[in-house]
Amino acid sequence: SQQGEEDPQALSIQEGENATMNCSYKTSINNLQWYRQNSGRGLVHLILIRSNEREKHSGRLRVTLDTSKKSSSLLITASRAADTASYFCATDAGSAAGNKLTFGGGTRVLVKP
Amino acid sequence: NAGVTQTPKFRVLKTGQSMTLLCAQDMNHEYMYWYRQDPGMGLRLIHYSVGEGTTAKGEVPDGYNVSRLKKQNFLLGLESAAPSQTSVYFCASSYIGTLHFGNGTRLTVT
Repeated sequence: SQQGEEDPQALSIQEGENATMNCSYKTSINNLQWYRQNSGRGLVHLILIRSNEREKHSGRLRVTLDTSKKSSSLLITASRAADTASYFCATDAGSAAGNKLTFGGGTRVLVKP
Repeated sequence: NAGVTQTPKFRVLKTGQSMTLLCAQDMNHEYMYWYRQDPGMGLRLIHYSVGEGTTAKGEVPDGYNVSRLKKQNFLLGLESAAPSQTSVYFCASSYIGTLHFGNGTRLTVT
């Protein structure tokens, strides 16, 4: 079963515009992470936000976390064609062994030049 | 600096055949994972390991076996492949909670 559900499933924007995608999850978490996957490649870690944090920035990325609503959002500002990829949220429930992550279904982002 | 390396990159099997997917990491990470990725399903955890000589079941372990004889290697085995195991398989390793992924093995079972 998927812990995280991303919305929308797909997003098409023009270069320079902002892209926002949301993630909802079901159970308590230790942290939430966002990953990017380019076509035919493995996932690459983008940013981690802990359960006691509300907002985090990394370059053109801004992540928010609302634990009361069990939701997170990822904002990519001033998008570039190179941002075309699938984006996944992943939750860490803080289990004692393994730092296991549960991934959502992803949001496919197309940035048109 | 290779990171996580998966072999092979592609494989076609016939139903009932067996194979082993190899994952190697050079980052001295304790934890390693095998996920499968299917369209619209995200990634689902098959098996994982918290250290050399240990393995544990994930969300979808049936039909797969794993071994972690050396810290840097994590093997995923399919004893009798089925069409439902057609998927892209990703290996990952971690140290402090963020995962480092290989580039995947695309497996087709006919």
